[in-house]
Amino acid sequence: DTEVTQTPKHLVMGMTNKKSLKCEQHMGHRAMYWYKQKAKKPPELMFVYSYEKLSINESVPSRFSPECPNSSLLNLHLHALQPEDSALYLCASSQDRGGLYNEQFFGPGTRLTVL
Amino acid sequence: AQTVTQSQPEMSVQEAETVTLSCTYDTSESNYYLFWYKQPPSRQMILVIRQEAYKQQNATENRFSVNFQKAAKSFSLKISDSQLGDTAMYFCASPLDNDMRFGAGTRLTVKP
Repeated sequence: DTEVTQTPKHLVMGMTNKKSLKCEQHMGHRAMYWYKQKAKKPPELMFVYSYEKLSINESVPSRFSPECPNSSLLNLHLHALQPEDSALYLCASSQDRGGLYNEQFFGPGTRLTVL
Repeated sequence: AQTVTQSQPEMSVQEAETVTLSCTYDTSESNYYLFWYKQPPSRQMILVIRQEAYKQQNATENRFSVNFQKAAKSFSLKISDSQLGDTAMYFCASPLDNDMRFGAGTRLTVKP
């Protein structure tokens, strides 16, 4: 299984809502990533987990809260978001040895709209 | 700041022809990696090709090859025998400063 899955595909939320994005992989990868991609822009790295521990946090606002409950799952909890947070949120995974130097396998993304 | 730059926002090529996408980067690191990722419309991003800076030989993957010029800090992607399925956004990327830096992307359209 060489697939990274993300749910939901689309999410619309208000600024006072709390929601979560979910990412799953079964390739035995021990590094997982969250990216934010605005329309017609490249992805921006948000968080990196290595062996279920947060290893990189790219100065992301606290309204985004990542969680890695086990080696196959990655969540992104959302609270009090702003309209400018509307974007495609991509999850990726890779073999941990070598970290960012390894090929990353991306999910299809969750398209988030904040009203 | 260490950067990755793609200066061609859009390109087009006829099916079966060859096209080259440009990428330059700036880093002070002595060892680094360079990637080309492809993001087809409404589909997942996938790795096209990967180059390790300490390897002098240019990487190749079937119809895809790179021209890695380390001194010039240039990393271009050549696509031979272009196919309709190659239509996508192409991103050059490199892990720099403990971050994954992507170029702005080049939107490639393959025309029948």
